[in-house]
Amino acid sequence: AQSVAQPEDQVNVAEGNPLTVKCTYSVSGNPYLFWYVQYPNRGLQFLLKYITGDNLVKGSYGFEAEFNKSQTSFHLKKPSALVSDSALYFCAVSASLRSGYSTLTFGKGTMLLVSP
Amino acid sequence: DARVTQTPRHKVTEMGQEVTMRCQPILGHNTVFWYRQTMMQGLELLAYFRNRAPLDDSGMPKDRFSAEMPDATLATLKIQPSEPRDSAVYFCASGLGGGGAEAFFGQGTRLTVV
Repeated sequence: AQSVAQPEDQVNVAEGNPLTVKCTYSVSGNPYLFWYVQYPNRGLQFLLKYITGDNLVKGSYGFEAEFNKSQTSFHLKKPSALVSDSALYFCAVSASLRSGYSTLTFGKGTMLLVSP
Repeated sequence: DARVTQTPRHKVTEMGQEVTMRCQPILGHNTVFWYRQTMMQGLELLAYFRNRAPLDDSGMPKDRFSAEMPDATLATLKIQPSEPRDSAVYFCASGLGGGGAEAFFGQGTRLTVV
C-alpha cells in the first residue's frame, strides 16, 4: 500500500524568509509526486508535480520541490514567503505499477502560516 | 476556463434522509475521483472511475454509499440513509488518467447531517 507522511501539522515562517514543507512517501513502483494547496472553503489547487527527470521541480507562485529518491522525500520550498501563501498544503503520491497506475493518495496536510 | 463543477455547495439534511451530490468533470477528462475531507481523517478516497467504469471503491461504505457515472458529463455520489458521521466536505476531481496526470478539484459539497 502506498502512503504519504507530512510530519508537521503546522509550519510558521515570517514573510520574506524561506519556507520548507516536508513530505515523505512510500510506494511500490516508480512514484509520481504532487503538491496541492487549499485555501479556506475552496477545493485543492495543483501546484507542481514530479514525474521523471530533473529532481528539482518548479511550479506555480514561485514554489519548487526537490525529489530525493534515497530519502523518499519530496519537500516543498519557496525562497521568500508571502503572507498570501498562508494555506493548507497537501503532498500526494501515485505510482506506475505493472497493472497500470495507482490512485492518488494524499498526506494529512500541513498548515502554513506566514506572519507579516 | 475549464473547471470541475459540484452541486450543491452546501447541504444540511436530517439523519436518515437520502443525499445526492453531483459533479460535472472537465470536458475530455476520462478519470473521476470522489474524496471525503474531515479534520480527523484528512482526505479519503471514496471512489475512482476511468472511462465511466468504477475501478476502485474500496474506501466507500457499501451499505449506504453508491457512486455512478450515468454519462461522461455527470458523476453522482449518493448516501442513503445519511448519518451524522457522514458530515464532511466531499470533493470531486477529474483528470486525464495515468499516474503522472494531476487531478483537478471542484469546490466541494459541505454536507451536514443533523
